[in-house]
Amino acid sequence: DGGITQSPKYLFRKEGQNVTLSCEQNLNHDAMYWYRQDPGQGLRLIYYSQIVNDFQKGDIAEGYSVSREKKESFPLTVTSAQKNPTAFYLCASVQGAGNQPQHFGDGTRLSIL
Amino acid sequence: GQQVMQIPQYQHVQEGEDFTTYCNSSTTLSNIQWYKQRPGGHPVFLIQLVKSGEVKKQKRLTFQFGEAKKNSSLHITATQTTDVGTYFCAEVLTGNQFYFGTGTSLTVIP
Repeated sequence: DGGITQSPKYLFRKEGQNVTLSCEQNLNHDAMYWYRQDPGQGLRLIYYSQIVNDFQKGDIAEGYSVSREKKESFPLTVTSAQKNPTAFYLCASVQGAGNQPQHFGDGTRLSIL
Repeated sequence: GQQVMQIPQYQHVQEGEDFTTYCNSSTTLSNIQWYKQRPGGHPVFLIQLVKSGEVKKQKRLTFQFGEAKKNSSLHITATQTTDVGTYFCAEVLTGNQFYFGTGTSLTVIP
């Protein structure tokens, strides 16, 4: 089955620690996205990538970093500079340019120890 | 970012009652997509509206796009407990960037 795999499902971060959330897709989609979702709130865009080796900041990129070395993979690093990282993180992908639906992974729930 | 406001933020209905959520923008929307997120799950695409005044139906769900393409609505007739979740609208911007509304959380009381 084609889809998006996010891992881990739950992640705990210690103060001052960087953590990396994995996102892999086998849908052959060009564009990939990272969103943050806080309780009772919508999806806020962190970073997105239209093609390999290229990515753009979203509305809340501070304290996060990404890479897109392969079409299938778009890992997100939550750095120690992100002071309030506790949230639900969703990865998504979309085929082509415009007017296509986004496909989402199951998400990673990140908490602070 | 873009300004896509969604109301209400929360809605509690008795099973069998109707439900409507609205998505409003101060600017003209190129198109609008609707997603549903079940509790503990991830958003799932429901439908896309592109044309001015467009109306689409999926069983008990009716989706509308305003004539001026500045608003959209999702109406559920005779809600069921399976309708529980958060409904999001999303605008697709130039460059394949998506901007999501804040969502409407629907609770259906049996």
